[in-house]
Amino acid sequence: TQLLEQSPQFLSIQEGENLTVYCNSSSVFSSLQWYRQEPGEGPVLLVTVVTGGEVKKLKRLTFQFGDARKDSSLHITAAQPGDTGLYLCAGANRRSARQLTFGSGTQLTVLP
Amino acid sequence: GAGVSQTPSNKVTEKGKYVELRCDPISGHTALYWYRQSLGQGPEFLIYFQGTGAADDSGLPNDRFFAVRPEGSVSTLKIQRTERGDSAVYLCASSLDFGPYNEQFFGPGTRLTVL
Repeated sequence: TQLLEQSPQFLSIQEGENLTVYCNSSSVFSSLQWYRQEPGEGPVLLVTVVTGGEVKKLKRLTFQFGDARKDSSLHITAAQPGDTGLYLCAGANRRSARQLTFGSGTQLTVLP
Repeated sequence: GAGVSQTPSNKVTEKGKYVELRCDPISGHTALYWYRQSLGQGPEFLIYFQGTGAADDSGLPNDRFFAVRPEGSVSTLKIQRTERGDSAVYLCASSLDFGPYNEQFFGPGTRLTVL
């Protein structure tokens, strides 16, 4: 069974601070995705990383895929209240790219 | 136009009853997925359809759970003899089916409560 562990589980910070969320596994994934989910809604895809060591930037968000494709991180610079939400990482199964394995999520609250 | 829609948005039922949850994918999306999300957890894969057929049903927890997609569009997740442990948000997603890194678009979910 492929498992993804996310840390921290909860994070509450002040507007303007930086933060990093981690996603770790003992398994290798063919690709890894980051989603953001708000209450009462489904997850929305932020980024897909596929190459070991890959770094992708989306405005103030920076995503990195570990060299061994077992871990990933999401770094947010100068967090804003609009960044509040549940951040989920999800790995694609090497046997079946369609079956995503999700982490348990990081609930981020950015206080004004 | 839309995105993935799911009905009902909320369903309350009694233990032992049968329920059906419906998913309308994005038009033209051939792949459809069902996930279950318990409170404080990430979504858990249940089943994946390619067209009308279930290409991967390895996530269904037991034989009380069954899903169909008879015309390759709308899908129904059926749960027999519901148990309190089935209470969760059931998410549906759809995607185009080309390339290995397909983006899955999620619906808002159906919150199922089994009393």
